Amino acid sequence: EAQVTQNPRYLITVTGKKLTVTCSQNMNHEYMSWYRQDPGLGLRQIYYSMNVEVTDKGDVPEGYKVSRKEKRNFPLILESPSPNQTSLYFCASSFSGGSGRASEQFFGPGTRLTVL
Amino acid sequence: AQKITQTQPGMFVQEKEAVTLDCTYDTSDQSYGLFWYKQPSSGEMIFLIYQGSYDEQNATEGRYSLNFQKARKSANLVISASQLGDSAMYFCAMREPYNMLTFGGGTRLMVKP
Repeated sequence: EAQVTQNPRYLITVTGKKLTVTCSQNMNHEYMSWYRQDPGLGLRQIYYSMNVEVTDKGDVPEGYKVSRKEKRNFPLILESPSPNQTSLYFCASSFSGGSGRASEQFFGPGTRLTVL
Repeated sequence: AQKITQTQPGMFVQEKEAVTLDCTYDTSDQSYGLFWYKQPSSGEMIFLIYQGSYDEQNATEGRYSLNFQKARKSANLVISASQLGDSAMYFCAMREPYNMLTFGGGTRLMVKP
């Protein structure tokens, strides 16, 4: 089954404790991205990756790191989480990064993160 | 810079009636794509419909259609014959080539039986 998986689905942690949210897709997609969703703000892009070893900042990259060492994986790293990073996080992938139909984003199930 | 505006934070519609969810966008690029996603209470993001900026006809996918008015920069989603399962958050999004997918703030649709 074609899918984007994220782990963990739920996480409660404390300020300053480094964490990684994993994201993996099995569709051989080139483009992957991370979003955070906060009430009233829709989804905002954190980082995106056009291909292996190619990443770039989105709208809200502060406090986050990413890496793309393999095509299928795109982990999100919070080196020192803070309470304002409490949010619902989505990983997504698409066949291309253009603006055509092939750029449709396939979303993972989401990770609900709480930082105390 | 891209911008997507959804002016209806919440809407009610009677079951079996049609409903239009508004979306306006702002871009200086001639080539872009417009997407609508549905997010039910379970949280997943479900793709509904796509419209390319050069597409001459409005997109349709089953009960969903997109009323694309390029000159007005609007891309409204029309849901025909609403069902209880249509109750959800709906997000409009736009993408310029090799750029970010930018989302609007969403509209919460509630279908009344």
